[in-house]
Amino acid sequence: KQEVTQIPAALSVPEGENLVLNCSFTDSAIYNLQWFRQDPGKGLTSLLLIQSSQREQTSGRLNASLDKSSGRSTLYIAASQPGDSATYLCAVRYSNYQLIWGAGTKLIIKP
Amino acid sequence: NAGVMQNPRHLVRRRGQEARLRCSPMKGHSHVYWYRQLPEEGLKFMVYLQKENIIDESGMPKERFSAEFPKEGPSILRIQQVVRGDSAAYFCASSPDSHTEAFFGQGTRLTVV
Repeated sequence: KQEVTQIPAALSVPEGENLVLNCSFTDSAIYNLQWFRQDPGKGLTSLLLIQSSQREQTSGRLNASLDKSSGRSTLYIAASQPGDSATYLCAVRYSNYQLIWGAGTKLIIKP
Repeated sequence: NAGVMQNPRHLVRRRGQEARLRCSPMKGHSHVYWYRQLPEEGLKFMVYLQKENIIDESGMPKERFSAEFPKEGPSILRIQQVVRGDSAAYFCASSPDSHTEAFFGQGTRLTVV
């Protein structure tokens, strides 16, 4: 069964810290992996998409890595800011069109 | 080029009523996907449609739920005789084909009272 797990479920850190969010998946035969941000009561914002042939993607203060062999991806956030507070979702796409989602990591950045 | 548009953004229904959720895909996109997010959970796939065709409805509950994507107009997710357990955020995504990144709408939050 294809499952996606995100640890931790919640994380609270002081402003300015660098942090890492984790995503693991049970089936390594992925097509791509995507990180999203979800603000309370709001929609989904795509942050980074990593194709199965890639090792990492960067956008501003965000860096996502992918290790298919170990079934893991990490989202690295540098110099965190209060505006980064949100729930971060990891979604894995296999050979079909469905996305398999993790339950998310709720991140709080304290000023 | 407007993004994926979902309406309404919030919908309140009493138990037993019908809920209709609409999704207008991005221009040029003929593939639509519906996902449901229960409180404190990740999204779960419901149904995949192309124009006038249901391709995969393996994630749809067997009763009360239906979806369509007509030749003209938005995709509709219809829930008949809603129950409290249907309360969730329903997200729609669209793509130009089945292998290209899908773009998500803002979601419709259904509350059943």
